[in-house]
Amino acid sequence: QSVLTQPPSASGTPGQRVTISCSGSSSNIGSNYVYWYQQLPGTAPKLLIYRNNQRPSGVPDRFSGSKSGTSASLAISGLRSEDEADYYCAAWDDSLSGPEWVFGGGTKLTVL
Amino acid sequence: EVQLVESGGGLVKPGRSLRLSCTASGFTFGDYAMSWFRQAPGKGLEWVGFIRSKAYGGTTEYAASVKGRFTISRDDSKSIAYLQMNSLKTEDTAVYYCTRYDYGDVWGQGTLVTVSS
Repeated sequence: QSVLTQPPSASGTPGQRVTISCSGSSSNIGSNYVYWYQQLPGTAPKLLIYRNNQRPSGVPDRFSGSKSGTSASLAISGLRSEDEADYYCAAWDDSLSGPEWVFGGGTKLTVL
Repeated sequence: EVQLVESGGGLVKPGRSLRLSCTASGFTFGDYAMSWFRQAPGKGLEWVGFIRSKAYGGTTEYAASVKGRFTISRDDSKSIAYLQMNSLKTEDTAVYYCTRYDYGDVWGQGTLVTVSS
């Protein structure tokens, strides 16, 4: 059971806009930055969004992140076939036993 | 080019130890925190721990699932981060990734660790 909650799957057709949600609590998303990762099949994860809504260089502006309260979202506009991948959200969690980096269970995005 | 290369994975019996290495290039290694993550076969991502840069004390943080069994260290002179894994369990079977920073702006390709009798 993951600390952050994501839908297990999402889908869209080419050109569409898709959003993936990530729900947490006051000890993680509510008080810390949110990060998003993309994992293409058979490859290592890649940082997609950092500090809620910042894109590393090289990440297309079709990808955007937002956060409100204890939830966050990743939006992908102009969906392309190469966006088919697993997407993970993450954040630090200020747990009583010490800080821990927590993840969502991942969302498998299918481009129809 | 910034690059991280993990090595040292393999098949190991439960209860034994294994040390993974992460060799960095293309950046000033000593200036950065380094982290380890893992991914069990067919499962999601899991944080293992990280080590701060010397400028921030070189201290470490670990996931509850590995605390007391795993140790992260670094050799800034060689640009290598290590993950010493002791008392391995079958549930430690995973691909292990090293990353730069606590949040992983750069990831290695991963190395597979299989714990099985």
